[in-house]
Amino acid sequence: AQSVAQPEDQVNVAEGNPLTVKCTYSVSGNPYLFWYVQYPNRGLQFLLKYITGDNLVKGSYGFEAEFNKSQTSFHLKKPSALVSDSALYFCAVRDIGFQKLVFGTGTRLLVSP
Amino acid sequence: DAGVIQSPRHEVTEMGQEVTLRCKPISGHNSLFWYRQTMMRGLELLIYFNNNVPIDDSGMPEDRFSAKMPNASFSTLKIQPSEPRDSAVYFCASSSRAGLAGGLSSYNEQFFGPGTRLTVL
Repeated sequence: AQSVAQPEDQVNVAEGNPLTVKCTYSVSGNPYLFWYVQYPNRGLQFLLKYITGDNLVKGSYGFEAEFNKSQTSFHLKKPSALVSDSALYFCAVRDIGFQKLVFGTGTRLLVSP
Repeated sequence: DAGVIQSPRHEVTEMGQEVTLRCKPISGHNSLFWYRQTMMRGLELLIYFNNNVPIDDSGMPEDRFSAKMPNASFSTLKIQPSEPRDSAVYFCASSSRAGLAGGLSSYNEQFFGPGTRLTVL
């Protein structure tokens, strides 16, 4: 079965520093990977996706993710963190089948001033 | 576009009562998903529909839960009778799937509603 793992429950970063939120995947066939962000008391918002093509995917709010097939990873990155980036981040993979996404457990990002 | 609309935003009810959650997907989207989020279990997919037809309801916890999609612009998730362990935030999401099966458009992202926070006393 398709799955993703987010090994860190929480990531702490100082404002202005680069951030990385980790995600590894396990799939049969080609991986179709997504990142979502959830701000407090809000629904999930789409950030970016990897379907095919360039391994570096650029998304919303200055985020990007690097697809690495050999390491089966899809880490989310941002060159310079903002306090407003503090939120819960979910990695997801499209399941075998019809549109279904399998989400990771989420990583809480805290950016300190 | 107004995005995915859910109502009510908050619901407090007593154990044993019927609860109905409502969702209006984004116009033109033909896939709809119901999720539940709790601290203990994280984000769980309950059921999803394509073109108003339920495709996978394996995540529905038990017979007390039921979902319908009578048309392309409306879906309900009903819990009858409700129990305290049903307390959670329930999200509805929608996505489009234009094009042929297997095409890249099959992998369109999902757009989430703001959620309904359900508390069962």
